[in-house]
Amino acid sequence: QSALTQAASVSGSPGQSITVSCTGTSSDVGAYDYVSWYQQHPGKAPKLIIYDVSHRPSGVSERFSGSKSGNTASLTISGLQAEDEADYYCSSYTAGSTLVVFGGGTKMTVL
Amino acid sequence: QVQLVQSGAEVRKPGASVRVSCKASGYTLISYHINWIRQAPGQGLEWMGWMDPSNGNAGSAQNFQGRVTMTRDTSISTVYMELSSLRSDDTAVYYCARGLTYWIFDVWGRGTLVTVPA
Repeated sequence: QSALTQAASVSGSPGQSITVSCTGTSSDVGAYDYVSWYQQHPGKAPKLIIYDVSHRPSGVSERFSGSKSGNTASLTISGLQAEDEADYYCSSYTAGSTLVVFGGGTKMTVL
Repeated sequence: QVQLVQSGAEVRKPGASVRVSCKASGYTLISYHINWIRQAPGQGLEWMGWMDPSNGNAGSAQNFQGRVTMTRDTSISTVYMELSSLRSDDTAVYYCARGLTYWIFDVWGRGTLVTVPA
């Protein structure tokens, strides 16, 4: 069982906007603005797309955005494209020896 | 370009150990932490631990304490992760990833498949 909770799957049509949620606790997501999101295509390594809740690394499309409210972080993908079909994982910093916890991942399907 | 090159796939018997290497290129190894993250088949990501290659300091997740050892050879820009007392549920792809901070992983290796048959 993953430390952060994500829906197993989500789907949308090209051009639509979809939101992926990530729920933690007051010890991780709720305690720090240190939430990251990663995109993983089949057979590939994860790719950082959002860090510190809402910041995009250089080269990542503006269609990806992040936010947080309380213990829940969210990733929004606007203008959905076929290439966005992938697994998305959230992560958060947490106190203690286990510094980082991940969500179980959300499989995003473009219809 | 900045990249992390990992060693090849391994097969080990239960109870054995495995060492995976991660060679940095395109940047100075000692400038950033290296993290290890694994992914069991069809499963999610699991953070294992971090190492500061500049001084050898390291830390591991509670689940792996006592079983994981991280070392480095700065002369060849390489970090190693050794996992001992292997079990069948250690079968996974093991990734190394550069840490911009303790919680941001911006460059990932391609992964190393470690198989531990039941």
